[in-house]
Amino acid sequence: EPEVTQTPSHQVTQMGQEVILRCVPISNHLYFYWYRQILGQKVEFLVSFYNNEISEKSEIFDDQFSVERPDGSNFTLKIRSTKLEDSAMYFCATARADSSPLHFGNGTRLTVT
Amino acid sequence: GIQVEQSPPDLILQEGANSTLRCNFSDSVNNLQWFHQNPWGQLINLFYIPSGTKQNGRLSATTVATERYSLLYISSSQTTDSGVYFCAVHVSGTYKYIFGTGTRLKVLA
Repeated sequence: EPEVTQTPSHQVTQMGQEVILRCVPISNHLYFYWYRQILGQKVEFLVSFYNNEISEKSEIFDDQFSVERPDGSNFTLKIRSTKLEDSAMYFCATARADSSPLHFGNGTRLTVT
Repeated sequence: GIQVEQSPPDLILQEGANSTLRCNFSDSVNNLQWFHQNPWGQLINLFYIPSGTKQNGRLSATTVATERYSLLYISSSQTTDSGVYFCAVHVSGTYKYIFGTGTRLKVLA
């Protein structure tokens, strides 16, 4: 079964540094999402992306965050200047169509020190 | 915004027992998924169930969209069923799924 691939699986960074999290979607999927899960808490929506544009974003997704699909395959989440509270598991999800089932990657655990 | 509440928040079972997990949502939804988050943090897709009933082995799910709830049934539980179970709803008129509060299940041998 096709999978969503996320890299890296773990990343440790210092406060104030930029990080880029990468996701390779399932090949025929057109809708892309980023979610965040702080340890022990629920999974929170960050942003949805379709046709090279943001479709919707949450209040969490402020100016420090950005997404793009630079080469038609990878889908990336950039955090410009990380804060301690950005420490979390970040999940990429993709779907064939809007409201179709989400398929999740295994996540990137980000630790900001 | 929509509220998605799951109950119970925590559940401890002996191996072999049956259980029912509930997901209530406060507004109209297009679709609903159930996920199992295993101890390694992976989100495993269990069911895509906007309405009706589906079964997959020892698991089954029922969604009654008009009454704004879904149920996940686990029969003959095994230790490997341990983890957190989330429902996620696709909110009508939006471009996102919203996750519920989760049920943390522990199955004892």
